[in-house]
This record gives sequence, structure tokens and C-alpha cells, in this order.
Amino acid sequence: AQSVTQLGSHVSVSEGALVLLRCNYSSSVPPYLFWYVQYPNQGLQLLLKYTTGATLVKGINGFEAEFKKSETSFHLTKPSAHMSDAAEYFCAVSSSGAGSYQLTFGKGTKPSVIP
Amino acid sequence: DTGVSQNPRHKITKRGQNVTFRCDPISEHNRLYWYRQTLGQGPEFLTYFQNEAQLEKSRLLSDRFSAERPKGSFSTLEIQRTEQGDSAMYLCATRTSGDTGELFFGEGSRLTVL
Repeated sequence: AQSVTQLGSHVSVSEGALVLLRCNYSSSVPPYLFWYVQYPNQGLQLLLKYTTGATLVKGINGFEAEFKKSETSFHLTKPSAHMSDAAEYFCAVSSSGAGSYQLTFGKGTKPSVIP
Repeated sequence: DTGVSQNPRHKITKRGQNVTFRCDPISEHNRLYWYRQTLGQGPEFLTYFQNEAQLEKSRLLSDRFSAERPKGSFSTLEIQRTEQGDSAMYLCATRTSGDTGELFFGEGSRLTVL
């Protein structure tokens, strides 16, 4: 079984400040981890992913995330928030190995960027 | 544009009616997933196809729900005798047969049951 916990459904961040969105996962096998972004009334777009190798992964729009196995975490960061970052962000886990590789999503975090 | 096409984008129906959603995948993607997303929640897995074979179904997929993928191309998700609790966004996602697990999502079909 696998699960994802995203702490804080809403966070406030000042424009230009660090964006930090937290994600903790549970997986019985080595996980694949993903961050997706969703704009209103749209589908999900992949920001970045971790499968194997380097634990710090860089994605689109200046976002990056670090896989920390000891902490079972995959927090998403961006050095400087921009108004266009206001969207909903979902962390997801998929179990590696044989199977459907279905993703299990967290409930999402929506940052409010304050000018 | 992810290349996964879903229609209709919006559907309003009365309780008890049947509705059908269609998903056209990216052409080389042989794996297709349906997810349901309710307000304030992340997407929840419904079912999965590898080519035309439906290989997994979630317990969320009651007997009023059925999905097909004839010939391994487009897929349909039908909900019979809709209930107000079925109101949600229905998302289709597809990917290739590689094992990275990355999914490409369509823009979703929003269902409102009155």
C-alpha cells in the first residue's frame, strides 16, 4: 500500500519569497515520486519526478524537489515565488517494480502568493 | 497541450440519467488510466487499461460504472443511474509502457448531477 500526505492545504507566501510545499509518502517498495501542478479547470501537468539516481531533481518553472529516504519526504521548493505560481500542487507516489504504476495522490496544496 | 483529449469538458445531468465520457490518448501510449477528482481532493484512481485489457479496477468503481477501451485506442467511461455523489471531475491519463510512471493528463470532464 502507498499513501501521500501533504501538510497544509493552503499556504501563503510573499512574492519573491521561498516557496516550500511539503510532501511525505509511505511505500512498501522503492517509490517513484512526482509533483504535478493543476490550474483551475485544467488537467494536471508534471512539474518534476524522481525515479532513481540523483536525489535532487529539477523541474519546470524553477521548481525543484529533494528525495529524502530517511525522512520519507519529497518537498517541493522554488527560491522566489511569482504570482503565476498560484495554482494547486499535488504530490504523488507510484511503486516501482511490476504492476500498473498507478499514482496515489495527496490532497493538494494551494499557495496564495501575496504581492 | 498534453495531447490527451477528453470530451465533453462539461456535463450537467439529472439524477438517474446515464452519462458517457470519452478519452482519446496520445497515439503511442498503450496504458490508459481513469481518475476521479472531487472538490478539495487529489485525483483518485478508478481503473487502468493496458491496450484493450482492463487490468485493474478500484473499489470506487461501483457496478454503476463501466469503462471500455475497444481496440486499445480511445476509452469510454460510462456512469449509469447517476447520483449527486458522482459529481466530480473525471480525468483520463495515458503513458507509454516504460516504467517511470509519468502520466500525461487530459483536461478532464466535469460532471454535475442535479
